[in-house]
Amino acid sequence: DAGVTQSPTHLIKTRGQQVTLRCSPISGHKSVSWYQQVLGQGPQFIFQYYEKEERGRGNFPDRFSARQFPNYSSELNVNALLLGDSALYLCASSSKTGTENTGELFFGEGSRLTVL
Amino acid sequence: GQQLNQSPQSMFIQEGEDVSMNCTSSSIFNTWLWYKQDPGEGPVLLIALYKAGELTSNGRLTAQFGITRKDSFLNISASIPSDVGIYFCAGQLLHDRHDNNNNDMRFGAGTRLTVKP
Repeated sequence: DAGVTQSPTHLIKTRGQQVTLRCSPISGHKSVSWYQQVLGQGPQFIFQYYEKEERGRGNFPDRFSARQFPNYSSELNVNALLLGDSALYLCASSSKTGTENTGELFFGEGSRLTVL
Repeated sequence: GQQLNQSPQSMFIQEGEDVSMNCTSSSIFNTWLWYKQDPGEGPVLLIALYKAGELTSNGRLTAQFGITRKDSFLNISASIPSDVGIYFCAGQLLHDRHDNNNNDMRFGAGTRLTVKP
């Protein structure tokens, strides 16, 4: 079975441009989360979507937005890119177990964004 | 925000040695997880802990959920070269535990492990 897949794997943008990153969760997983990982740090939570609705948002500016589609895939959009947006953007999917969320995340390999 | 303090920042050990790393916080976490990240890849889940005091093993890895819910440790026994990588602790806040749809996991800054053959 395929794991979490992300595209593109690498991309280079210039300041002020916009970027769209894509993620396909593990089959059967309905929750998708996005994380930003700056070099040398742990992942930082950006968004979580479940059943196409935003369920959580981290401390990121409104330039960051996301959505989830009926097939549970997701896109992360970042507008007006800044140099500091350069990072590895990770997508993670998770499954719901019974009535409690296990919190276990399955990560993709990430999209490495470089802003020049 | 709720910070996770992970230590040590890096470790250089000889193959065969045991390794211990830990994570502490001033906040109470309901779930602790340990991930390993290899270069160019996303983090991979190693061990998940759900109950205070819980001790769980996965092969050569052992992790414990602190009784106060504010800390956790990960031990690796008899290290091998493929253990090289960055190990992250992650916690899910207590108030999020029964929110079925919140995956706001907080991650530590990581422990970089180097194993010399």
